[in-house]
Amino acid sequence: GENVEQHPSTLSVQEGDSAVIKCTYSDSASNYFPWYKQELGKRPQLIIDIRSNVGEKKDQRIAVTLNKTAKHFSLHITETQPEDSAVYFCAATNNQGGKLIFGQGTELSVKP
Amino acid sequence: GAVVSQHPSRVICKSGTSVKIECRSLDFQATTMFWYRQFPKQSLMLMATSNEGSKATYEQGVEKDKFLINHASLTLSTLTVTSAHPEDSSFYICSATGLGGGRTDTQYFGPGTRLTVL
Repeated sequence: GENVEQHPSTLSVQEGDSAVIKCTYSDSASNYFPWYKQELGKRPQLIIDIRSNVGEKKDQRIAVTLNKTAKHFSLHITETQPEDSAVYFCAATNNQGGKLIFGQGTELSVKP
Repeated sequence: GAVVSQHPSRVICKSGTSVKIECRSLDFQATTMFWYRQFPKQSLMLMATSNEGSKATYEQGVEKDKFLINHASLTLSTLTVTSAHPEDSSFYICSATGLGGGRTDTQYFGPGTRLTVL
């Protein structure tokens, strides 16, 4: 079955710096890759996603890149702010409405 | 749009009792709902996939007789933890995909239920 590996497990940056979180997946049939942000004790919230027919997607300070050949995708956050501090999860799935396989999560800390 | 609610948000129960958690899609029809369990500092672990009107599909290692799932309508799924024990204490989160709630492959999460079994 699908396996998703996420690195790093923790990431600490200074406010204004960039943060990059990387994920690899094992199932070459995976075609949808969402990223979720989860604050302590709250629900995961979708922040950006990408499909396999696209190599890069950007939404303001957040961008995601996908390399299908290498089977990895990354989240890029620029100009980080303290409110970006949270746990970020990548995920992958290979069918419509299908189950998501989550990475282990990255705890991002943005220091003012 | 695409709002998912969960009830209760927090429950404390005695060992051996059963607890029911409700997951509702408020503004769309959820053809599929998912139930996850999340332990502190860990990722979301899928427990089961629930399609309206059919039996849930459980992940390997999840006891279907202990975690009863019912998806009787397009807006409601329930998870019942039967004969709960302290090791069942966790954060239970549902998610939903479906019609009218954005893209059909996007999962929208409920706020979660914190279960503590004494």
